[in-house]
Amino acid sequence: QQPVQSPQAVILREGEDAVINCSSSKALYSVHWYRQKHGEAPVFLMILLKGGEQKGHDKISASFNEKKQQSSLYLTASQLSYSGTYFCGTYNAGNQFYFGTGTSLTVIP
Amino acid sequence: NAGVTQTPKFQVLKTGQSMTLQCAQDMNHEYMSWYRQDPGMGLRLIHYSVGAGITDQGEVPNGYNVSRSTTEDFPLRLLSAAPSQTSVYFCASSYLTNTEAFFGQGTRLTVV
Repeated sequence: QQPVQSPQAVILREGEDAVINCSSSKALYSVHWYRQKHGEAPVFLMILLKGGEQKGHDKISASFNEKKQQSSLYLTASQLSYSGTYFCGTYNAGNQFYFGTGTSLTVIP
Repeated sequence: NAGVTQTPKFQVLKTGQSMTLQCAQDMNHEYMSWYRQDPGMGLRLIHYSVGAGITDQGEVPNGYNVSRSTTEDFPLRLLSAAPSQTSVYFCASSYLTNTEAFFGQGTRLTVV
């Protein structure tokens, strides 16, 4: 039931853009996005609750295509502070939360 | 606000020993959960609770017990530690499902 993310890893130069995809073989009722820096706990980025919803803050945004059971996270004009591992996640009908496989993002000067 | 407080930060156990990882939150959150994080495996749900007195199994519950006698506390018990339980453990809480989750600082557990 674990959502699958792509790519597994990406390296960017400061100022470049990136897209991280999250897809599920089962129905997605909502999508959560978290970022985890090395040696730290995951930190919440955003939740998308409805198909077609798009959200964003600063230069990080996300979209949710409920019909395709997919979500994408967009990072624009990346900064060094964006480095970390990004996880999507979702609840199933039984209140169990499943994190995605993770995407390691490294921003270099 | 302290948020989610998880103790200890580090622990080394011998095979067969038992221990309890403590988790407390002061945000009056109903939903609490425990995850383990292994290299290459991401975060996997061990147990969760939707409120005081209610607990349920997650994806990898074997070898672990939980209880939720109060809204604030959600301890995780390792019954008889095995090397396969070497991992980083995170406790998390949220007001409800589909709301922002807050994580504790994590416990790095090594079983030898």
